[in-house]
Amino acid sequence: DVKVTQSSRYLVKRTGEKVFLECVQDMDHENMFWYRQDPGLGLRLIYFSYDVKMKEKGDIPEGYSVSREKKERFSLILESASTNQTSMYLCASSRPGQGVTQYFGPGTRLTVL
Amino acid sequence: SQQGEEDPQALSIQEGENATMNCSYKTSINNLQWYRQNSGRGLVHLILIRSNEREKHSGRLRVTLDTSKKSSSLLITASRAADTASYFCATSSRGTYKYIFGTGTRLKVLA
Repeated sequence: DVKVTQSSRYLVKRTGEKVFLECVQDMDHENMFWYRQDPGLGLRLIYFSYDVKMKEKGDIPEGYSVSREKKERFSLILESASTNQTSMYLCASSRPGQGVTQYFGPGTRLTVL
Repeated sequence: SQQGEEDPQALSIQEGENATMNCSYKTSINNLQWYRQNSGRGLVHLILIRSNEREKHSGRLRVTLDTSKKSSSLLITASRAADTASYFCATSSRGTYKYIFGTGTRLKVLA
């Protein structure tokens, strides 16, 4: 059974803190994604990685960075958390190519105070 | 602006009824997928339809695609309380890895 796990379901941080969100997949997928989900806005792509150490900016990369040192792990980093980064963060993975299924993790609900 | 816009935003029906959700998009697509999200959880893939297909079935799900109108619909027949969730369409265009998700339809099935 395919599996994408995220390090935390709920996270509370303070403004200015450095925040790490971890995502691990066990499907040997090349592609990994980070989205944020906000009410009324749907899912918006933050960053995408198509291979180890490779990354591309999505639609809303400002305030975020990513790291992919191993194929199975994709980390999202908030260098200095701000209140407008309070959101649900969803990680996904997929095989390369078009028309492929994305497999999602359970999500991390981050609150920045 | 969102590529995919679902309609309605929220839908409440009785168990056993059919539920229909619509998705409109703006640019040419390669394929369109529908996902389900249970409250506070990740998304689960339901069905994919390619741009050269008009209709697809999977169990109680029926998806149609009208590329001339840039729209798709998801029909859930004989709904169950367990179908209560948010449903999202996601479009992919040729030459890009990106899927663009809509804002979703919240479906509530009353027992």
